[in-house]
Amino acid sequence: AQSVAQPEDQVNVAEGNPLTVKCTYSVSGNPYLFWYVQYPNRGLQFLLKYITGDNLVKGSYGFEAEFNKSQTSFHLKKPSALVSDSALYFCAVRDKRDTGRRALTFGSGTRLQVQP
Amino acid sequence: GAGVSQSPSNKVTEKGKDVELRCDPISGHTALYWYRQSLGQGLEFLIYFQGNSAPDKSGLPSDRFSAERTGGSVSTLTIQRTQQEDSAVYLCASSLVGTGISYEQYFGPGTRLTVT
Repeated sequence: AQSVAQPEDQVNVAEGNPLTVKCTYSVSGNPYLFWYVQYPNRGLQFLLKYITGDNLVKGSYGFEAEFNKSQTSFHLKKPSALVSDSALYFCAVRDKRDTGRRALTFGSGTRLQVQP
Repeated sequence: GAGVSQSPSNKVTEKGKDVELRCDPISGHTALYWYRQSLGQGLEFLIYFQGNSAPDKSGLPSDRFSAERTGGSVSTLTIQRTQQEDSAVYLCASSLVGTGISYEQYFGPGTRLTVT
């Protein structure tokens, strides 16, 4: 079975400060990892993914995430937060060995609040 | 439009009634997914379609839920004899499929279902 944990329901950060949204995962094999963002009354938007290779992945809107296999983590980061980054962020995982069921397993989400 | 579309955007129904939710995926995407997002929860996988293969129905919560995908494109999720616990946002996603890679899923805006 695969699972994702986002230990923080909400993260508060001041505009201009760096932000981190935490994610840890559990899979039997090796993971595909994703981050999505959800703005109010909108569907999920893809931010970035880790498939293989470089552990530091860069994505949309200046976000990046670092894959850490030993800590089974995939934390989302941004050097300088914007008020417009305020949204709900979801981490998701899929086991590379699972070639049949390709659905993602999502975390419960972390609400990011960036204060002006 | 180039994105995933869903209809209706909102649906209010009485307990015990049947409802149909529609998803129109991105053209050329062979994989289609349905998820459910309950208030304060992450996304829960419901069902996955890939090309002409038998769908993965392992996430459907009860036999009141069913889905079909006609012509490899549009999908309909049907909930029979709705219950109040079915109230949620139902999200549809589509993606390409490849070997040794996990393409990102593109999500529609969702259908907010309220069972009274």
